[in-house]
Amino acid sequence: SQKIEQNSEALNIQEGKTATLTCNYTNYSPAYLQWYRQDPGRGPVFLLLIRENEKEKRKERLKVTFDTTLKQSLFHITASQPADSATYLCALAGGSEYGNKLVFGAGTILRVKS
Amino acid sequence: DAGVIQSPRHEVTEMGQEVTLRCKPISGHDYLFWYRQTMMRGLELLIYFNNNVPIDDSGMPEDRFSAKMPNASFSTLKIQPSEPRDSAVYFCASSRGLPQRSRQGGSPLHFGNGTRLTVT
Repeated sequence: SQKIEQNSEALNIQEGKTATLTCNYTNYSPAYLQWYRQDPGRGPVFLLLIRENEKEKRKERLKVTFDTTLKQSLFHITASQPADSATYLCALAGGSEYGNKLVFGAGTILRVKS
Repeated sequence: DAGVIQSPRHEVTEMGQEVTLRCKPISGHDYLFWYRQTMMRGLELLIYFNNNVPIDDSGMPEDRFSAKMPNASFSTLKIQPSEPRDSAVYFCASSRGLPQRSRQGGSPLHFGNGTRLTVT
């Protein structure tokens, strides 16, 4: 069956360090992958998109990699700050199995301590 | 840009009552999505519309759920009758364009802040 897996345990890191979040998927052939941030009581907010033909994408302190062979995306936040504390969701779309739907992982909670 | 607006923010109702959730998408967006979020199941797509027409409602749990989009600036999700297992946060999202299996695809979704529904 199709599955999207993100770190189920919360990630606790010290301010200034690099946070690395993982998104693994099985039985998908996604055309692209998106990352969202969600704060308590709020809706998800789009951060980055990476397409199947791209290896890496950067935006300010954020970096996303996409390895279609490993079926994995890594999301990095460099020089992390307490304000980066939130839940981060990956989402996949494309592929004949799910047509045009955007399917979300369960999310990983990131806590950055000062 | 006011973003996607949902109302109410919180709804508490008794089992068996009708519940109506409302959404105003971002102006100019041609796709509208309804998602439900729970701790157990995460974010689940219920239904989506393109140019006010329902395209895929395969995620709607059962006939108690219905959604409409009478015009480009308004959509409703109705649950009748409501049950305790419907308790969740319901999100509306809109986008310009749709995820497609193409190099040009990948329109991001813009979410509202959700309606927290509690059915007792």
